[in-house]
Amino acid sequence: EVQLVESGGGSVQPGGSLRLSCAASGFTFSSYWMHWVRQVPGKGLVWVSYINKDGSRTDYADSVKGRFTASRDNGKSVVYLQMNSLRVDDTSIYYCASGDPTNWGQGTLVTVSS
Amino acid sequence: QLVLTQSPSASASLGASVKLTCTLSTGHSNYAIAWHQQQPEKGPRSLMKVNSDGSYRKGDGIPDRFSGSSSGAERYLTISSLQSDDEADYYCQTWGPGHWVFGGGTKLTVL
Repeated sequence: EVQLVESGGGSVQPGGSLRLSCAASGFTFSSYWMHWVRQVPGKGLVWVSYINKDGSRTDYADSVKGRFTASRDNGKSVVYLQMNSLRVDDTSIYYCASGDPTNWGQGTLVTVSS
Repeated sequence: QLVLTQSPSASASLGASVKLTCTLSTGHSNYAIAWHQQQPEKGPRSLMKVNSDGSYRKGDGIPDRFSGSSSGAERYLTISSLQSDDEADYYCQTWGPGHWVFGGGTKLTVL
C-alpha cells in the first residue's frame, strides 16, 4: 500500500524557518517526481513545489521562490521542504503528493503567527 | 496562461446524478486533467485522470459510480447514484511544465 506521511509542521513566528518531511513507502520512491501542495483551511489547493526523480531539478510557485527549497533522500525515501523567511500568508496545510494516479499524504499544518 | 475554471458550487439529490465541469483555458484544450475529491476535514484523494479524447482511468478502489468524459476544452466528472458521503469539494488539476495547476474547486452538496 502506498503511503505518504508528512511531518514537521507547527507554529512559528514570521521570519522563522521550518523543515517539512514526507516519508514514502509502498512504491519505488526514486522513480517518481514529488510535489508539495498547500491549502489554507477552507480554501483551495495550491501547488508549491516539485522535485524530480534524482533531485537535480526543482521548481517553485512564485509566492515561495527564493524562500522554500525542496530536496530528497532516495536512500531513505523521504522528500523535504525547507521553508525559510516564513510569512503569515504561508499558513496552510502542506501535502506531499506523487504518482499517476496521484497519491496524497494526510497533510501537516504550518501556522505562521506572531 | 494555463488556467482551470470550475463552478464554485453544485447540488443534487440523494440517488441522482451530477456532472461537474472543468474548463481548460484557450490554447490548452488538448490537456488531460485529474479529478480529486476532498471530503470535509480530510486530505485530497485522487479519483481519475481524464484525457482529451474522453478516455479516463480511475484510481484503485474508486467506485463505478464515478466516470469521466471530455468535450473540447471541457472535462467532466459524473457521479451517479449520489450518496451522502459524495458531499465534498472536487478539484480538477492539470500538468504544466514542471508544475501543477488546480481549478478553484466545486463544492458539491447532496440534498
